[in-house]
Amino acid sequence: DGGITQSPKYLFRKEGQNVTLSCEQNLNHDAMYWYRQDPGQGLRLIYYSQIVNDFQKGDIAEGYSVSREKKESFPLTVTSAQKNPTAFYLCASSIGTGGLETQYFGPGTRLLVL
Amino acid sequence: QKEVEQNSGPLSVPEGAIASLNCTYSDRGSQSFFWYRQYSGKSPELIMSIYSNGDKEDGRFTAQLNKASQYVSLLIRDSQPSDSATYLCAVNNPNAGGTSYGKLTFGQGTILTVHP
Repeated sequence: DGGITQSPKYLFRKEGQNVTLSCEQNLNHDAMYWYRQDPGQGLRLIYYSQIVNDFQKGDIAEGYSVSREKKESFPLTVTSAQKNPTAFYLCASSIGTGGLETQYFGPGTRLLVL
Repeated sequence: QKEVEQNSGPLSVPEGAIASLNCTYSDRGSQSFFWYRQYSGKSPELIMSIYSNGDKEDGRFTAQLNKASQYVSLLIRDSQPSDSATYLCAVNNPNAGGTSYGKLTFGQGTILTVHP
């Protein structure tokens, strides 16, 4: 089955700790995205990648880092510099980034701070 | 002014009625428009996409786009309790941001409740 997987479903972060969220897709999509969703709010773009070994900051990139070493994978690291990391993190992908393509979402990771 | 605005609701309709969800956007260069449904605790799933002025129908769902007035709406006919969810409007301008990437901007969502 084609789709996007995210792991873990829930993640707990301790003070000062870096944590990494996994995102894998087998849709053969070129573009991948990371969004953050806070309660009662829409999605805000953290980072996006159009091709392997290239990625760009979104609207709220501070305190986050990404890599894109493989087409299928786009992990997100929430660093200790992100002071308010509690949120629902959503990974998405699309065939391209021409602006008209539909973005499809993975199941999400809920990050909580201990 | 928010780039994409939706009434947060909740919008409550009886089972079998038509639910009407509205969205306005500020960027006149926007060219693609999407409606996503998000159940509580789950990720968004695509309901409809629309690119041209007018109506687009898919089963019980109809998306309506009016670029001159900068609004897009979603009608749900014969609403069912299973339609109860948050509906997210998303708008894309392929030329925004000065890069080849089209910026997809989301509204905050409208909560829909369909009661039996």
